[in-house]
Amino acid sequence: GENVEQHPSTLSVQEGDSAVIKCTYSDSASNYFPWYKQELGKRPQLIIDIRSNVGEKKDQRIAVTLNKTAKHFSLHITETQPEDSAVYFCAAVNRDDKIIFGKGTRLHILP
Amino acid sequence: NAGVTQTPKFQVLKTGQSMTLQCAQDMNHEYMSWYRQDPGMGLRLIHYSVGAGITDQGEVPNGYNVSRSTTEDFPLRLLSAAPSQTSVYFCASALLGQGIATEAFFGQGTRLTVV
Repeated sequence: GENVEQHPSTLSVQEGDSAVIKCTYSDSASNYFPWYKQELGKRPQLIIDIRSNVGEKKDQRIAVTLNKTAKHFSLHITETQPEDSAVYFCAAVNRDDKIIFGKGTRLHILP
Repeated sequence: NAGVTQTPKFQVLKTGQSMTLQCAQDMNHEYMSWYRQDPGMGLRLIHYSVGAGITDQGEVPNGYNVSRSTTEDFPLRLLSAAPSQTSVYFCASALLGQGIATEAFFGQGTRLTVV
């Protein structure tokens, strides 16, 4: 079955700097890769997603890149702000429609 | 449009007790699922369903049962609660398009403690 590895588990960046979170997946048949943000005490919410026929997608300060050959995808947050502090989860969805999540990255934005 | 409604929000059980966590969605989503969230372990899939009458196991199904008699509801049953099942549980639903799950919407979560 699908296995999703996410790194790092914790990331601290200075406000205004960029943050990068990386994920790898095992099932080459996976075709949808969403990213979720979870603020403390709240439910996860989708922030950006990418499908397997696209290499990169951008939405304002957030971008996701996908390398199908290497089976890895990354989340890039530029010009980080205090409200970016949260836990971020990557996920992969295969043809069985299972949504499998990585273990999460706790992002701290330092003033 | 309430989205995904999950009840209860908090629950304390004694070891060996059984209970059902309720999940309902009003978005006509085919896909529904249950996850547990433990510190450092992320969101682990317990069971999922791609439509009424269809359920399948996820990564950590032992000790849990599900059924999907309607499109709207997907209850999770703990048969005999154990301390290892202390966790935060999330229900999530998504629209299926051509066999591809899309954005998942989560319920508010249930914090379960087994003593």
